[in-house]
This record gives sequence, structure tokens and C-alpha cells, in this order.
Amino acid sequence: DAKTTQPPSMDCAEGRAANLPCNHSTISGNEYVYWYRQIHSQGPQYIIHGLKNNETNEMASLIITEDRKSSTLILPHATLRDTAVYYCIVEYSGGGADGLTFGKGTHLIIQP
Amino acid sequence: ETGVTQSPTHLIKTRGQQVTLRCSSQSGHNTVSWYQQALGQGPQFIFQYYREEENGRGNFPPRFSGLQFPNYSSELNVNALELDDSALYLCASSGPQSRETQYFGPGTRLLVL
Repeated sequence: DAKTTQPPSMDCAEGRAANLPCNHSTISGNEYVYWYRQIHSQGPQYIIHGLKNNETNEMASLIITEDRKSSTLILPHATLRDTAVYYCIVEYSGGGADGLTFGKGTHLIIQP
Repeated sequence: ETGVTQSPTHLIKTRGQQVTLRCSSQSGHNTVSWYQQALGQGPQFIFQYYREEENGRGNFPPRFSGLQFPNYSSELNVNALELDDSALYLCASSGPQSRETQYFGPGTRLLVL
């Protein structure tokens, strides 16, 4: 079973920041938080991951709370192409031999 | 683009038949993981191959089997197809160290009639 809880859906206006929350209250000390997204009928796309520090790359920022029990993925300037299902995954680095455990994710809809 | 390719993109089979799906991993990656994604669900882990050996498996029956070749490409074989096997099959490559970030291919859509 997935170790994360995400809202099933969210809306965001185009050009605004999209903030996607994720709860992972049972995360252990050496588990990472990974974010992937899946645009309709395509393979999941890796976005970002982190252990305890905030992370930023060209796609997004990841904010992890100090107690590591929750995190927020931030898309700074959402576009229509960001409409997708976003998965928050907690795993030992990369998922390893047990694979990645996907939940149902958050369906983010960017409104024009 | 991740550099992970899968073939075919779509196929249709009938119940009881066998199917082989193929995956080419990203350059420099030696690990391939396979996932099944039913409509409306998140991907479910089938198994992982590392350096040509299966080194992890999810809750799938033995009729799901695989191979990894010396160039690290991989095959997923499913025997005795059932209607519930209809799904998007995804492969992901990672490496060269174990437990590195997985990068997914576009998937193969299988329909079993």
C-alpha cells in the first residue's frame, strides 16, 4: 500500500503557482520523497525528489516539513501542459528491488 | 524524453494467448523495472531486473515472467492472458548504481478480448 495521502483533485489557474500537498506521517529516516507526474496515457515523468532539505530544479520545488511528515510540490508558473496526475511516493532511494509504490495521486487541472 | 523506449505501442490479444513486450533502457542504465497500470489506477510493480537477474517481484503470478539481455534491454512475457491483463504496461530504467531514480518509457497498451 502507498505510504502517502494526497487530495484526489485540485484546480489551479494558468500562470499561478500550483501547490500540491502530500502527507507521509509514517516516513522513516532514510526514505526519500519522490514526485512523478503522468499526463494522460503517457508514462510517468520524474519531477523531483528529496530527503530532508528543500529541493529545486527546472521543473519544480519540493518543500519538506522539518518533521518530514508532509511535503509540498510547487509548480511556480503553471501552464495548461501541467495538467496531469501527480504522484507523491515515499521510498528508499529509487525504489530499489521493491519498485515504486504508487497511490492514486492528485489530478491537477490547470484552468485557462 | 527519457531515452527509454517500448514496443509495440498498442496490441490486441485474445484470452489464453501469450504476449511479449519489449523495453530498451536509457544509455548507462543497468536496471529495468516493469509496472502494470489498469485504467484509473496508479502503476503496480511487477518485477525488476538488475544485471540480467530478477532481483525483486511484486504480487503477480508466475505467468508474468521476464528477461534482461546483456545490453540491458528487457522483455516482459505474459502467458495465458486473462481479460484483467488489459492495461498499460510500463518499463522504467535506472542505474548504474542500485536504488537510483527510475525513468519511465511511454508504455505499451495491451487489450485482451
